[in-house]
Amino acid sequence: EVQLVESGGGLVKPGGSLRLSCAASGFTFSTYSINWVRQAPGKGLEWVSSITSSNSYIYYADSVKGRFTISRDNAKNSLYLQMNSLRAEDTAVYYCARDLLAHHYNFDYWGQGTLVTVSS
Amino acid sequence: QSALTQPASVSGSPGQSITMSCTGTSSDVGGYNYVSWYQQHPGKAPKLMIYDVSNRPSGVSNRFSGSKSGNTASLTISGLQAEDEADYYCSSYTSTSTLVLFGGGTKLTVL
Repeated sequence: EVQLVESGGGLVKPGGSLRLSCAASGFTFSTYSINWVRQAPGKGLEWVSSITSSNSYIYYADSVKGRFTISRDNAKNSLYLQMNSLRAEDTAVYYCARDLLAHHYNFDYWGQGTLVTVSS
Repeated sequence: QSALTQPASVSGSPGQSITMSCTGTSSDVGGYNYVSWYQQHPGKAPKLMIYDVSNRPSGVSNRFSGSKSGNTASLTISGLQAEDEADYYCSSYTSTSTLVLFGGGTKLTVL
C-alpha cells in the first residue's frame, strides 16, 4: 500500500524556520517525482515545490522561492522541505504528493498533511 | 500568476449529471494536456479523479469524466450520489515560472 506520512509541522514565529519531512512507503520512492502542496485554512490548494526522482530538477512557486528548499534522500525514502523566513501567509496544511507520471504534475497519492502555523 | 478559474459552487440532485468548468489560458490549460481534477472531502487529503484531461486512475468510478476545449477543461459527474458532495479542484501544468496552477475550487452540493 502506497503511503506518504508528513511530519514536522507546528507553531513558529514570523521569521522563524521549520523543516518538514515526508516518509514514503509501499512504492519505489527513488523512481518518482514528489511535490509539496499547501492549503491555507479554508482556502484552496497551492503548489509549492517539486523535485524529480534523481534530484535532477527542482522547482519552486514564486511565493516561496529563495526561502524554501526541497530535498530528498532516496536511501531513506524521505522528502524534506526546509522553510526559512516564514511569514503569516505561509500558514497552511502542507501535503506531500507523488507525481503519477513524471513532469505531468498529476498527484496520485497524498499524505494526510501537517499543519504549519506562523504567528507571534 | 493567477489561479485557474472555477465556479464557486454547483449543485445537482441524486441521479442527475453535472459539469463543472476550469478556465485558464494558452499557457496552461489550453497549451498542454496536463489537466487534473481532485476531489476533497472536509478534513481529508485531495484525491486524484482525472489526470491528463480525461484519464481515470484505477479505482475511480466511471461516473467521472474529463474533457477540454480550448482554454477550458470540464469535469462531468453522472449519476450523482450523496458521497460525491465535496470540493473539486482542477490543476494544470503551466509554462510560466509557477509550473503548476490550481483552480480556486468548486463546492459540489448534492441536493
